[in-house]
Amino acid sequence: EVQLVESGGALVKPGGSLRLSCVASGFNFSNAWMNWVRQAPGKGLEWVARIKGKIDGGTTDYAAPVKGRFAIFKDESKKSLFLQMNSLETEDTALYYCTLDGGRMVDAPNDYWGQGTLVTVSS
Amino acid sequence: DIQMTQSPSTLSASAGDRVTITCRASQSVSDWLAWYQQKPGKAPKLLIYKASTLESGVPSRFSGSGSGTEFTLTISSLQPDDFATYYCQQYDTNYTFGQGTKLEIK
Repeated sequence: EVQLVESGGALVKPGGSLRLSCVASGFNFSNAWMNWVRQAPGKGLEWVARIKGKIDGGTTDYAAPVKGRFAIFKDESKKSLFLQMNSLETEDTALYYCTLDGGRMVDAPNDYWGQGTLVTVSS
Repeated sequence: DIQMTQSPSTLSASAGDRVTITCRASQSVSDWLAWYQQKPGKAPKLLIYKASTLESGVPSRFSGSGSGTEFTLTISSLQPDDFATYYCQQYDTNYTFGQGTKLEIK
């Protein structure tokens, strides 16, 4: 059974840093394409970052608002996905979800989601 | 970046109604288009991918169509459990979500 469990959300001051974690189980973690998707309070969904599977080069992509500030990476020994967030802004306040692409069918995006972890950026 | 525009933003309907939500892309995304349902306090749930393929376990009253820049999600006969917010998402070039359509009870 696929499971994604996020942690690391916290209250942080503008300009600060935070690292989110997502512990994964139930699938081939090394070759999985995974994402971070966020949702600001009362707002819609926003894709944040993606990492491709090792077999596809493990390359990363970022949404424009976070490029240069956030970094997505995996630790395969821990079967964990991370999001390193630097230079945080109040606009980064959101519930951050870890997601898996192609968990059931190869062409399906975000077919598994974690429960989310809340990041609040405020002075 | 590819922009996704959903309409309407809010839709009021009754159980048993047939409803359609539209999603437009700022450039062609072929059929790399997904639809999600989200209920309050819950993570989104994938309903449809590749524009028209129903995710396993999703009721057949949900259907998707379209290609290129114009897509629709149709619910053939609304059930009480369907009142939720729906999002489209392109995954042709990175990912972009539409702004959402809140389906509420009339």
